Amino acid sequence: EVQLVESGGGLVQPRGSLRLSCAASGSTFNDHYMAWVRQAPGKGLEWVGLIRQKDKNYLTEYASSVRGRFFISRDDSTNSVFLQMNTLESEDTAVYYCARENVYQFFSMDAWGKGTTVTVSS
Amino acid sequence: DIVMTQTPLSSPVTLGQTVSISCRSSQSLVYKDGNTYLSWLQQRPGQPPRLLIYSVSNRFSGVPDRFSGSGAGTDFTLKISRVEAEDVGVYYCVQNTQYPVTFGGGTKVEIK
Repeated sequence: EVQLVESGGGLVQPRGSLRLSCAASGSTFNDHYMAWVRQAPGKGLEWVGLIRQKDKNYLTEYASSVRGRFFISRDDSTNSVFLQMNTLESEDTAVYYCARENVYQFFSMDAWGKGTTVTVSS
Repeated sequence: DIVMTQTPLSSPVTLGQTVSISCRSSQSLVYKDGNTYLSWLQQRPGQPPRLLIYSVSNRFSGVPDRFSGSGAGTDFTLKISRVEAEDVGVYYCVQNTQYPVTFGGGTKVEIK
């Protein structure tokens, strides 16, 4: 069973940067897409973006709300995925989850971490 | 972007009864490969989301058979039969037929 553990959240000032990490256990990390999803306080889920696997050239997709500010990368040698967040705004305050999009199961998000909290405030 | 609209926003239900949640998409979720990339997630209070149903009607591993999904095209339904206390939470539909991936607004299931 895959387990995902996010880290790197915290308090950051507006226009600042933060890098989130997600460590995955399990032997099939390399096969799957990895996504980031966020949830603002008291709100619903919002997809942030994803990164494909090596044989898809690690191509990425992003929500329009973060495109050009957020960047997703992965390191298959350490089963990790990262979310670099730049020029942060108060609207980016949220719990950030990483999730696996299972390529063998219709790209469903079948594993989730517990999340890491990002607060953007002066 | 594909807009996912869930109804109702909230559904009080008696233990043991059945609840149905509707999810409508602003355009067809049938991809060019013929598959429909529509899933349902459960988020219990204070917990991360959890996958229940994928590709419209396939139950994820370990999900009780009280949960079932149906639908096609733009109209989808999640049905929870014989509701138990542990089913309290918010339920989301999500499509990844087209980027960006989009979620429904959520339906809160609570016990009367």
